[in-house]
Amino acid sequence: DAKTTQPNSMESNEEEPVHLPCNHSTISGTDYIHWYRQLPSQGPEYVIHGLTSNVNNRMASLAIAEDRKSSTLILHRATLRDAAVYYCILSGETSGSRLTFGEGTQLTVNP
Amino acid sequence: DGGITQSPKYLFRKEGQNVTLSCEQNLNHDAMYWYRQDPGQGLRLIYYSQIVNDFQKGDIAEGYSVSREKKESFPLTVTSAQKNPTAFYLCASSIDWRAFYGYTFGSGTRLTVV
Repeated sequence: DAKTTQPNSMESNEEEPVHLPCNHSTISGTDYIHWYRQLPSQGPEYVIHGLTSNVNNRMASLAIAEDRKSSTLILHRATLRDAAVYYCILSGETSGSRLTFGEGTQLTVNP
Repeated sequence: DGGITQSPKYLFRKEGQNVTLSCEQNLNHDAMYWYRQDPGQGLRLIYYSQIVNDFQKGDIAEGYSVSREKKESFPLTVTSAQKNPTAFYLCASSIDWRAFYGYTFGSGTRLTVV
């Protein structure tokens, strides 16, 4: 199973940008990179996903390395509501149904 | 609105009893999944189903059972054989098993053994 590696925790100040890294050195050519976030006692919420090109949506941006072995989730202006656990996972023909959630990155946002 | 409904939100079970957690989706998704989450931990895969009438064991299937008789429903039974069932249980679905477009999660069921 393709695995991802993320820092256990990161801290940011409100209104500042946050860059959350993820390593996925065993990614296959058909695997998509997904990011989810989870608040306490809630189900994970979709944030963004991509394959090769950088992606932007109203929540965040996803920067994917040229070799696809790493990616970075970018929150352009952190708010207190962005404090959550962020998971980077892979899906596709090799990862598919057995997608693996690690422990994610706990993001703390300071007022 | 389409989504996944898990019920109940909180569930208490006496030791030695079986209990069934409900998961229903109206997204017309083929694949469905059950995860277990312990405090401070990531999600661990219990069972998954790529299509109706088919399901596979995940990483921690012992003490659990599932059925997939209808596309929209994927109930999870926590049996008395599960030694430590107290946890947060999450159900998810995806369009198909490749999940290129990602997953939709329910809001979870918190099971406590008393």
